[in-house]
Amino acid sequence: QKEVEQDPGPLSVPEGAIVSLNCTYSNSAFQYFMWYRQYSRKGPELLMYTYSSGNKEDGRFTAQVDKSSKYISLFIRDSQPSDSATYLCAMRAVSGNTPLVFGKGTRLSVIA
Amino acid sequence: GAVVSQHPSRVICKSGTSVKIECRSLDFQATTMFWYRQFPKKSLMLMATSNEGSKATYEQGVEKDKFLINHASLTLSTLTVTSAHPEDSSFYICSARDLGNSYEQYFGPGTRLTVT
Repeated sequence: QKEVEQDPGPLSVPEGAIVSLNCTYSNSAFQYFMWYRQYSRKGPELLMYTYSSGNKEDGRFTAQVDKSSKYISLFIRDSQPSDSATYLCAMRAVSGNTPLVFGKGTRLSVIA
Repeated sequence: GAVVSQHPSRVICKSGTSVKIECRSLDFQATTMFWYRQFPKKSLMLMATSNEGSKATYEQGVEKDKFLINHASLTLSTLTVTSAHPEDSSFYICSARDLGNSYEQYFGPGTRLTVT
């Protein structure tokens, strides 16, 4: 089993839809959870980060972490064509300066 | 968010030559920088972790003599691809961890290397 599992999609939704992106993980030591957005031929852009469990909201984006289920989610409300990109979840443990462990990324297309 | 720059954004070189890619954290200090490689429609592959003032830690299968990493200051790391071959053609992305916010990690815009 990989440390981080993420459905690669592609996921196609109509404009205005609520998008739900998810990752599961196996390492209970993970405490920092991040979501990145990557447009084609660009570097990943940090969207949201969360420490431990809970929810965090920023505009149309909501990140949720459920450590008991080892499950994290990113919700996008009122999705726009400009949201079309690959979304990568990433996480790491607290101790040490360890690299992030990434999911494979989910390709999202928002159709106008 | 914090800004990480990379230079050059694109480079074409001939087989056998060396190419240096610079990564800078512009508005924060980064004790740790990471170098990734990404193939089309694939996820990021970590190549090495670079700590300021010390030797880089390379991932399994990454040749340290081929991919030279130098992290001379808290804001600059360089990756040199030595004796480049066409199979080294790829998208190289650096990432820097903010010293002041240890859980935030920012990526550069990437460098597209083409070896002819």
